[in-house]
Amino acid sequence: RKEVEQDPGPFNVPEGATVAFNCTYSNSASQSFFWYRQDCRKEPKLLMSVYSSGNEDGRFTAQLNRASQYISLLIRDSKLSDSATYLCVVNRGNTPLVFGKGTRLSVIA
Amino acid sequence: SAVISQKPSRDICQRGTSLTIQCQVDSQVTMMFWYRQQPGQSLTLIATANQGSEATYESGFVIDKFPISRPNLTFSTLTVSNMSPEDSSIYLCSVSTVDYNEQFFGPGTRLTVL
Repeated sequence: RKEVEQDPGPFNVPEGATVAFNCTYSNSASQSFFWYRQDCRKEPKLLMSVYSSGNEDGRFTAQLNRASQYISLLIRDSKLSDSATYLCVVNRGNTPLVFGKGTRLSVIA
Repeated sequence: SAVISQKPSRDICQRGTSLTIQCQVDSQVTMMFWYRQQPGQSLTLIATANQGSEATYESGFVIDKFPISRPNLTFSTLTVSNMSPEDSSIYLCSVSTVDYNEQFFGPGTRLTVL
């Protein structure tokens, strides 16, 4: 079993739709969690951190459930510019970040 | 944040040859890493580049195939040795905060081996 598992995707959604991505992690000692965004042929970049209390940044909401070892990302009112691959990322605290395989999102006009 | 540059940005190489990829950071950083991302796959950590000592390799990666240099806190090289088509991939340099809470990536080197 991979340490970080994500929805396989791809997700093809119309503009304005709400889309949710899920992610599970296997290492219960994981300390912090993130969503990274990777555009086609570009390097990954931090989108947002994920906290147990949930956090929101504009149209993006991230949630963490430590008991279930589950992370989510919700995108509301999707824009064409949201099309990218979204990587679920886990920090074990003493090693480099562990990256999920990513979920590809295509927002269609 | 850190600004990271990589050279070359892409290359097409013949099997059996070697390619050295350079990574330059605009500030001194302690934690520096090399990743590989094969088509449609996630990022796979190759090794941690340690300044002044041998790199720390992940399972499945060895120094003879991927020698790494880290002469100072702003520069590192990764060599892909005796290349085969299976080495075709994007190779990314990355730096991290000491607590690993944020990593920054270079733009990547797209390698195609014929």
